[in-house]
Amino acid sequence: QQPVQSPQAVILREGEDAVINCSSSKALYSVHWYRQKHGEAPVFLMILLKGGEQKGHDKISASFNEKKQQSSLYLTASQLSYSGTYFCGTEFTSDSNYQLIWGAGTKLIIKP
Amino acid sequence: EAQVTQNPRYLITVTGKKLTVTCSQNMNHEYMSWYRQDPGLGLRQIYYSMNVEVTDKGDVPEGYKVSRKEKRNFPLILESPSPNQTSLYFCASSLDVGSSYNEQFFGPGTRLTVL
Repeated sequence: QQPVQSPQAVILREGEDAVINCSSSKALYSVHWYRQKHGEAPVFLMILLKGGEQKGHDKISASFNEKKQQSSLYLTASQLSYSGTYFCGTEFTSDSNYQLIWGAGTKLIIKP
Repeated sequence: EAQVTQNPRYLITVTGKKLTVTCSQNMNHEYMSWYRQDPGLGLRQIYYSMNVEVTDKGDVPEGYKVSRKEKRNFPLILESPSPNQTSLYFCASSLDVGSSYNEQFFGPGTRLTVL
């Protein structure tokens, strides 16, 4: 039931782009994206709801493909501050009592 | 400052010695939750609460207890800790349940070691 995130880790140079995927074996109602820096708490990035929604702020955006049962997080022209581990949290129904099932995370390392 | 606080931040204890990790939020949030984070496994939900006196099990509730007597507080209790409960614990809260905007605010984490 846990969504699968890919890749598990990625190393980029500053300015390069990255895509992180979150795939589920069950139909998804919503996907939540968070970033966690080493030694800190996860921080909210965005939520995508069923309906093919695409959201973004600054140079981080995400899409939600219901048919493929997956969401992708896009980081454009990556900055050093983007380093961290990215987690997706998934809801399978609208009445799930907000019980998120989290992926194992994707570690992103940005080098100067 | 709007925040979720946890105490203690670090704790080393021995098997079987009861402990409580406190969690408090000052944002008048309805929903609160406890997670444990282990390397390679991501966040796993232990218990959650949708309101005062309403709590429910998450994915890994065994060995844990919670209570929600007040809206702002959601303590996590380990009656008889065991080494497999060594982990990093996060408390989180969100404004509402079921709305389309359910940003969770996380506490700073409690690193627990059970010897």
